Amino acid sequence: QSALTQPASVSGSPGQSITISCTGTSSDVGGYNYVSWYQQHPGKAPKLMIFDVNNRPSGVSDRFSGSKSGNTASLTISGLQAEDEADYYCSSYRSSSTLYVFGTGTKVTVL
Amino acid sequence: VQLLESGGGLAQPGGSLSLSCAASGFPFSNHAMSWVRQAPGKGLEWVSIISGSGGSIYYEDSVKGRFTISRENPKNTLYLQMNSLRAEDTAVYYCAKSPSALTWLPPYYFDFWGQGTVVTVSS
Repeated sequence: QSALTQPASVSGSPGQSITISCTGTSSDVGGYNYVSWYQQHPGKAPKLMIFDVNNRPSGVSDRFSGSKSGNTASLTISGLQAEDEADYYCSSYRSSSTLYVFGTGTKVTVL
Repeated sequence: VQLLESGGGLAQPGGSLSLSCAASGFPFSNHAMSWVRQAPGKGLEWVSIISGSGGSIYYEDSVKGRFTISRENPKNTLYLQMNSLRAEDTAVYYCAKSPSALTWLPPYYFDFWGQGTVVTVSS
């Protein structure tokens, strides 16, 4: 299965905003509003941060927001904090026998 | 909510392993469950999903015919039987919970993950 495309790394200073892109096709990201984002700290389990493009689960900071335009979804982290340093993965429903596809992952570094 | 995977270890190419995921803190049969893996230093890869009743199952193409997902609702346990293992199956295997019981309708995301179990395929 071909993964969704994310930048390998994104960095920012504390307090700044950063945006991570996630590019797919019309069979996944572009065709459905079923994009989710996960945060993974080293050696830890992934944690759901955004679902259905722009919805936050209870308990997730409102500094995290999601959006989508065409075949590209985005995760924005505003007011960057040291604890946000982690790997981030997007995921989407895909209209094939393989229901789910993940992105290649983005390492966020807080300078 | 708690998901506790077990059963990982070392297997030879062509061999088999059986993973388990013990669930607690939520009505297990009301939720579809998935296995997602992560090869060393690599990204996440969805492997398989099973509906709350066990009647609907999907697999990622590379594991079709080799892996079998199942569940035992009275025991709140999810399983993954892995046969004909290959070196490229080496990964941390996570079980992940879906918000609903269904596989063929939204929502399409995973709202809770276990800590994972390590599978190594090597001679």
